[in-house]
Amino acid sequence: ETGVTQSPTHLIKTRGQQVTLRCSSQSGHNTVSWYQQALGQGPQFIFQYYREEENGRGNFPPRFSGLQFPNYSSELNVNALELDDSALYLCASSLRQGLMNTEAFFGQGTRLTVV
Amino acid sequence: AQSVSQHNHHVILSEAASLELGCNYSYGGTVNLFWYVQYPGQHLQLLLKYFSGDPLVKGIKGFEAEFIKSKFSFNLRKPSVQWSDTAEYFCAVDDPNSGYALNFGKGTSLLVTP
Repeated sequence: ETGVTQSPTHLIKTRGQQVTLRCSSQSGHNTVSWYQQALGQGPQFIFQYYREEENGRGNFPPRFSGLQFPNYSSELNVNALELDDSALYLCASSLRQGLMNTEAFFGQGTRLTVV
Repeated sequence: AQSVSQHNHHVILSEAASLELGCNYSYGGTVNLFWYVQYPGQHLQLLLKYFSGDPLVKGIKGFEAEFIKSKFSFNLRKPSVQWSDTAEYFCAVDDPNSGYALNFGKGTSLLVTP
C-alpha cells in the first residue's frame, strides 16, 4: 500500500457527461499529479498541483481540470466526456523539496469507461 | 519536447534468464531518471531512480540500471529473472518544464515463464 487512495475504483459514464475523480494523498505529501493511462500505453501526464495551484500541465484540453484542497487531497474533473477518455486515471503524490519532487507514490487508479 | 522511448514492448523470458530492457530519452539538460513497475492488479511502484552520482544504480528486488549520458540511455537489468517479475515496466524522466512531473515511456510487458 502506498497511502494514496483513489475513488471510485471503477466508473461508467455516457459520452457528453461530466465526471469527478478523487485522490487522497499520502500523509506529509504536498504535491499531487494526475496521469491518464490508456490500455497498453504508459501513463500520460495531465497536470500537477502544489499548494493548491496548478504548477504543470501536459497536453490535455481545458475540459480536464483539477483542484487541490488544503489537506492536499485532489480532484480531477473532466467535462464533455468523449469515448477516447476511457482509461485508467492515476493519482500520484510526492513531497516538493526546493524545485524538485521526492519519489512519487501512486494510487491504484480509477478505471473510467465512457460509452 | 522531452520523450522517452522503450524499445521492447513485449518480452518473454524463462526463469533464470537475464533481463535487459532498453530506455532512451531525449532531453539536453540534467535529468532525473526512473524505472517503475506495475504488477498485475497493483499500483505503480518505484524500482529505482538516478539523480546524480554513480551511474550504476541498484533498486529493489535485484534490479539495477545504468545511466549512460553519451547514449541518452537508462537500461534496466536483472541477472536472473523470476516468475514473480512478470509485470509492466515503465521508464520515466522528470520534466522541469512541468513541475518535475514524470514523462513515461510506453512500457514493456514482461512475461516470465516457469
